[in-house]
Amino acid sequence: AQKITQTQPGMFVQEKEAVTLDCTYDTSDQSYGLFWYKQPSSGEMIFLIYQGSYDEQNATEGRYSLNFQKARKSANLVISASQLGDSAMYFCAMSDQGAQKLVFGQGTRLTINP
Amino acid sequence: DGGITQSPKYLFRKEGQNVTLSCEQNLNHDAMYWYRQDPGQGLRLIYYSQIVNDFQKGDIAEGYSVSREKKESFPLTVTSAQKNPTAFYLCASSISGQSEQFFGPGTRLTVL
Repeated sequence: AQKITQTQPGMFVQEKEAVTLDCTYDTSDQSYGLFWYKQPSSGEMIFLIYQGSYDEQNATEGRYSLNFQKARKSANLVISASQLGDSAMYFCAMSDQGAQKLVFGQGTRLTINP
Repeated sequence: DGGITQSPKYLFRKEGQNVTLSCEQNLNHDAMYWYRQDPGQGLRLIYYSQIVNDFQKGDIAEGYSVSREKKESFPLTVTSAQKNPTAFYLCASSISGQSEQFFGPGTRLTVL
């Protein structure tokens, strides 16, 4: 069975600093996908970034990058130059080999201080 | 605008009543999903459907039922058999075979 672990329940960061949110995963599949979603206080889930297990380059989307270390089974999210609007819950997720389902971690609450 | 709509945003139910949560998408996605989120927790999969007239149980299907009569619609019924139905419910959809899921705004269900 697949499992996602996010060990940081909460993170506090000063505005404009970079922040790394940790995510480790466990799977026996060879092909899988890794995702990060942002959930503001309003509740909707916003897709941020995707990394395929066969992708050799780390994914980047604007200020977001995914630090993918396959051998260590980690997929950390890096947010550069944090902004007040980045304050939210962040969830790491992975898809199974059939790309049918997502398994989510418990989330990390990120708070950006001015 | 393409997207996913869920209604209502807030729902209150008395114990022992069934209630149906609506989820509609106009993204032409084949796959649709229902998740439950409890306070401070991640999302857990209730049911999912890859094509019309077919659906599979997720990790916590007990006390829930779904139907998929149309591609655009995937309603979730929370039955009286669900022991702790108070939660935030999120619907999602995706292109079949691609795992990126797009989410609706959610329905917050409270059992009184």
